[in-house]
Amino acid sequence: EAQVTQNPRYLITVTGKKLTVTCSQNMNHEYMSWYRQDPGLGLRQIYYSMNVEVTDKGDVPEGYKVSRKEKRNFPLILESPSPNQTSLYFCASSSPGLLNEQFFGPGTRLTVL
Amino acid sequence: GDSVTQMEGPVTLSEEAFLTINCTYTATGYPSLFWYVQYPGEGLQLLLKATKADDKGSNKGFEATYRKETTSFHLEKGSVQVSDSAVYFCALRHTNTGNQFYFGTGTSLTVIP
Repeated sequence: EAQVTQNPRYLITVTGKKLTVTCSQNMNHEYMSWYRQDPGLGLRQIYYSMNVEVTDKGDVPEGYKVSRKEKRNFPLILESPSPNQTSLYFCASSSPGLLNEQFFGPGTRLTVL
Repeated sequence: GDSVTQMEGPVTLSEEAFLTINCTYTATGYPSLFWYVQYPGEGLQLLLKATKADDKGSNKGFEATYRKETTSFHLEKGSVQVSDSAVYFCALRHTNTGNQFYFGTGTSLTVIP
């Protein structure tokens, strides 16, 4: 089954404790992206990647890191989480063509105390 | 730069009512346009898309027409059901911006029996 998976689905952590949210897709997509969703603000892009070893900042990259060492994986790293990073996070992937939609993961609900 | 503007929510309708959710975009050229739906507790999934002017996307009774002259992609459904209660996101993808996706802020729809 074609899908984007994220882990963990739910995470409660404390300020300053490094964490990684994993994202994996099995569709051989070149394009992958991370978003955060907050009430009243919709989806905001954190980082995206056009292909292996190619990443770029989205609209709200501060406090986040990403890497793209393999085509299927695109982990999101919070080196020193803060309470303002409490949010719902989505990973997405897509083929590069203009006509192609993004496929989304199920989301990761992160709470930083 | 490219952007998407959606009507503010939340929207509450009675079952079998007519639905319109407005979406307008700002972009040069001819982006592809999408509507995504997010059911409670789930990730986003594609509802419909249109890839050129005057195209009509349709799915599950929903329709949207790509209007270049008004830069709009309004979502409509003739008779909503309780199961349509969700958050709806309008989005565009544009080659001029590296095939990036831009999302609106989302419109929450609640359908009451």
